[in-house]
Amino acid sequence: GENVGLHLPTLSVQEGDNSIINCAYSNSASDYFIWYKQESGKGPQFIIDIRSNMDKRQGQRVTVLLNKTVKHLSLQIAATQPGDSAVYFCAENTWDTDKLIFGTGTRLQVFP
Amino acid sequence: DAGVTQSPTHLIKTRGQQVTLRCSPKSGHDTVSWYQQALGQGPQFIFQYYEEEERQRGNFPDRFSGHQFPNYSSELNVNALLLGDSALYLCASSLAGGGRITGELFFGEGSRLTVL
Repeated sequence: GENVGLHLPTLSVQEGDNSIINCAYSNSASDYFIWYKQESGKGPQFIIDIRSNMDKRQGQRVTVLLNKTVKHLSLQIAATQPGDSAVYFCAENTWDTDKLIFGTGTRLQVFP
Repeated sequence: DAGVTQSPTHLIKTRGQQVTLRCSPKSGHDTVSWYQQALGQGPQFIFQYYEEEERQRGNFPDRFSGHQFPNYSSELNVNALLLGDSALYLCASSLAGGGRITGELFFGEGSRLTVL
């Protein structure tokens, strides 16, 4: 399979605990943000998104928080499971472009 | 319903050669974007195709070119390959209809290119 993120920051959590993955974005004009999960050998998979007119958005077991003042985004995963092990990327987008700008990623390791 | 499919999954080329990668978007999608993902990094936007035209381009040289066909499938061509072109090339499709992207950007599994 594909080795994604050999030298990425790593977050290790115990199964059942909550995980928090952080991301600093670069462009103050960005108004749309997405979190992706990438498992080894696979393409990025959409998790959750948020627009800049919101501070928080919740999905199933996941919550995204947006702090525009400090250009910070976080992904919270509740009751982390072994299947959550992957590399997580945040991505930003501005209203005048179709491209996503991805962060460097964080590897999440879940141990029993 | 098939998702985004890419071919080939793996290929090896030598410097100076040319490569063509192919992508079929998710059924019902009309827009295809290509990204390059170097090992240990996030994907980087190459370009996007809509209505058979390149609509937007990232910071990639002209050696990178593409095409979109009437059935919305797309090709990525890279000429005069360099060692630094070794990466995972990802295709993503969406139903943009000319508008900006939404969260419904579906990625394929990628084509792993190794340049020797």
